Amino acid sequence: GEDVEQSLFLSVREGDSSVINCTYTDSSSTYLYWYKQEPGAGLQLLTYIFSNMDMKQDQRLTVLLNKKDKHLSLRIADTQTGDSAIYFCAAINFGNEKLTFGTGTRLTIIP
Amino acid sequence: DAGVIQSPRHEVTEMGQEVTLRCKPISGHDYLFWYRQTMMRGLELLIYFNNNVPIDDSGMPEDRFSAKMPNASFSTLKIQPSEPRDSAVYFCASRQNTGELFFGEGSRLTVL
Repeated sequence: GEDVEQSLFLSVREGDSSVINCTYTDSSSTYLYWYKQEPGAGLQLLTYIFSNMDMKQDQRLTVLLNKKDKHLSLRIADTQTGDSAIYFCAAINFGNEKLTFGTGTRLTIIP
Repeated sequence: DAGVIQSPRHEVTEMGQEVTLRCKPISGHDYLFWYRQTMMRGLELLIYFNNNVPIDDSGMPEDRFSAKMPNASFSTLKIQPSEPRDSAVYFCASRQNTGELFFGEGSRLTVL
């Protein structure tokens, strides 16, 4: 089955860019997602990218996909204290319908 | 729409008791998923339904766990008997055929 890997922690100074990385194993993954989880809350979809794209930008968020290396990244520009959360990478192959999540990266903002 | 609604938000129970978690998916969504989140194992898919039919329950940890979806607007996840290692946050999520997966706020279960 699919494995999705992320580093567990990232600390960034307020105003700097944050880059959260993710690797996945199933080359037939169709969509790749980034979710945000704030304390005590459910997961909120931030953005997603289709597997035939290599970049997607949405305001402060930039997603880069290297399909050859099966590597996905999320860049948050001008990181703010409100960006403190756990960020999950997830991949799905609509052939089997299962969305597989990474372990999550806890982003801490340093004032 | 109010989103995916889960209840209870918090449940504290004693080992051996039956626990029932409830979920109301977003109206019109064809798929419903139950996930469990723990510090040790992260987010695990337990079971999912398509049009009220269970499709894959390979993630259900043991026979103590069961899930039902009697109609398109309601699902339950039952643990009987509960054990301390079942303590976790249980999320329900729903989506349309190929759309975004929407999560509920989760049910935090503590088994003493």
